[in-house]
Amino acid sequence: SQQGEEDPQALSIQEGENATMNCSYKTSINNLQWYRQNSGRGLVHLILIRSNEREKHSGRLRVTLDTSKKSSSLLITASRAADTASYFCATPPKTSYDKVIFGPGTSLSVIP
Amino acid sequence: DTEVTQTPKHLVMGMTNKKSLKCEQHMGHRAMYWYKQKAKKPPELMFVYSYEKLSINESVPSRFSPECPNSSLLNLHLHALQPEDSALYLCASSLPEGTGTLSYEQYFGPGTRLTVT
Repeated sequence: SQQGEEDPQALSIQEGENATMNCSYKTSINNLQWYRQNSGRGLVHLILIRSNEREKHSGRLRVTLDTSKKSSSLLITASRAADTASYFCATPPKTSYDKVIFGPGTSLSVIP
Repeated sequence: DTEVTQTPKHLVMGMTNKKSLKCEQHMGHRAMYWYKQKAKKPPELMFVYSYEKLSINESVPSRFSPECPNSSLLNLHLHALQPEDSALYLCASSLPEGTGTLSYEQYFGPGTRLTVT
């Protein structure tokens, strides 16, 4: 079964609005990662949050992690058209750091 | 250099062909990965090499054969593929487990778009 699952599957917002994506996972983790993928391209690592962290910021990105609920959220503030992409959470289980499992992803469209 | 390169960008092959996908990185990463990604789906892990040894094979059919000739190169040899193997094949690299950095983010190449006819 999938380790991470995103919600919503698709999100369409106006430029300047904030976008929030959620991720749930099933097993214990040491860290949770978020990646972005522009259409048909490779993935770009956005941010990694460790299991002992609750919140992390990077530019316009804010990630939260609630290990008691096995969930994480990614907030993109003041969205831009260039943020249009698919966003995936990824969770390597504690038993194997290398076995990164990606959630189904959220497709974000930012309308200019 | 924080780049993972993959060649070719596009590949069309018949079901009887033999071809290879190549991946290269010069970041000193000792873990390298192959993923398969179908349209509108997340990447699915196929293989992991750690210190040039195959550490994970996610029950991939034998028509896919990985090879890691050295710490910078990763190949995926393809033989007798099926049309359903058409997908984007992504290579990635990272610092492997046990390096003590606690930084396991993966760096991805742009992918090879494979079409099997």
